[in-house]
Amino acid sequence: AIRMTQSPSSFSASTGDRVTITCRASQGISSYLAWYQQKPGKAPKLLIYAASTLQSGVPSRFSGSGSGTDFTLTISCLQSEDFATYYCQQYYSYPELTFGGGTKVEIK
Amino acid sequence: QVQLVESGGGVVQPGRSLRLSCAASGFTFSSYAMHWVRQAPGKGLEWVAVISYDGSNKYYADSVKGRFTISRDNSKNTLYLQMNSLRAEDTAVYYCARQSRRYYDFWTPGDAFDIWGQGTMVTVSS
Repeated sequence: AIRMTQSPSSFSASTGDRVTITCRASQGISSYLAWYQQKPGKAPKLLIYAASTLQSGVPSRFSGSGSGTDFTLTISCLQSEDFATYYCQQYYSYPELTFGGGTKVEIK
Repeated sequence: QVQLVESGGGVVQPGRSLRLSCAASGFTFSSYAMHWVRQAPGKGLEWVAVISYDGSNKYYADSVKGRFTISRDNSKNTLYLQMNSLRAEDTAVYYCARQSRRYYDFWTPGDAFDIWGQGTMVTVSS
């Protein structure tokens, strides 16, 4: 199975900061990558698919980039509602789908 | 509105069985592949199983293969997960999720999960 490694696993940031989360695949997955946001006690929410396409209704401060094995999720200006855990997911190696371990964004 | 609602979770002893349900509404359920994803307490997301839109193809994570069975009833707009021989490590919140593309061609690179249920908690404990 393709292994997805996210970094960092957690970090602290302040409102207004620009933050970047990285996700690395153990082998090439083209652009078959999604990013999800999860808040405590809630279901994950799709933010980005196909590595860089913003899901409908998601604020434009979120963006994704990358292809092959290295991907990034960027939040251009962190808002209070963005403090959450973020997961990447590959769907290239179907149906053996895999998620990254998650990155928790905490308030500094 | 487009919605998935899971039910059937609870506390069960090791070795016993449980069946989860996921009721879909607000979209043409029979057009979409569906998945189960779980999350152990304080841990990350783990994909569990997938079923094609017509039920003809199914696939499981190694951790549940041979113990769990995914199925669907398109006439009832409902997805199921039959869980047998439960273990302590199966304790988790179980989510159902919709794969975003209609009439997805199984065994080819897939799609993201655009709709998720609220989850149902399964606790395996004696």
